[in-house]
Amino acid sequence: AQSVTQPDIHITVSEGASLELRCNYSYGATPYLFWYVQSPGQGLQLLLKYFSGDTLVQGIKGFEAEFKRSQSSFNLRKPSVHWSDAAEYFCAESSNDYKLSFGAGTTVTVRA
Amino acid sequence: DTGVSQDPRHKITKRGQNVTFRCDPISEHNRLYWYRQTLGQGPEFLTYFQNEAQLEKSRLLSDRFSAERPKGSFSTLEIQRTEQGDSAMYLCASSADESSYNEQFFGPGTRLTVL
Repeated sequence: AQSVTQPDIHITVSEGASLELRCNYSYGATPYLFWYVQSPGQGLQLLLKYFSGDTLVQGIKGFEAEFKRSQSSFNLRKPSVHWSDAAEYFCAESSNDYKLSFGAGTTVTVRA
Repeated sequence: DTGVSQDPRHKITKRGQNVTFRCDPISEHNRLYWYRQTLGQGPEFLTYFQNEAQLEKSRLLSDRFSAERPKGSFSTLEIQRTEQGDSAMYLCASSADESSYNEQFFGPGTRLTVL
């Protein structure tokens, strides 16, 4: 069974600083990988996805993620964080055609 | 707005009561999913429809839970004899068959509190 691990429960970052959120997956074959963001009172919004090809993927809101098979990782990065990036971030994988398996999430706090 | 909508957004009920939630997917999407999210956790898959057919149910979906999608459009999720452990956010998502590898679009969720 596949699983997704997000090692960091909570990260605090200063506005303008860089951000990296970690994600590890356990599925043996190349999974379909996703990063979602959830703001209070809002639904999950897809930031980016990886299926194959270039291992560095660009997403919305200035986010990018890098797929590293050797490390079973799909870490999310943003070079300069804005206060509006404060939210909860979920990494997810799908090894089949329909079911998403999510990590427990990382809460990001942005300080002025 | 043509996104996924859910109704109600919040529901408070007493233990033992029945509740029903509604999800309206994006109109051209024929796949519909229900997930449950408890505090501090990521969403967990509950069930999935392809048009009106319910194709998989998670073991999380006890016999007190039933989901329908009678005409392949909107869906309802009913919980009978609610328990305090049912308190959670219930999320609905939809996708198109032709979407790139299961890109799911989520609604805002229904937050259920069982007293």
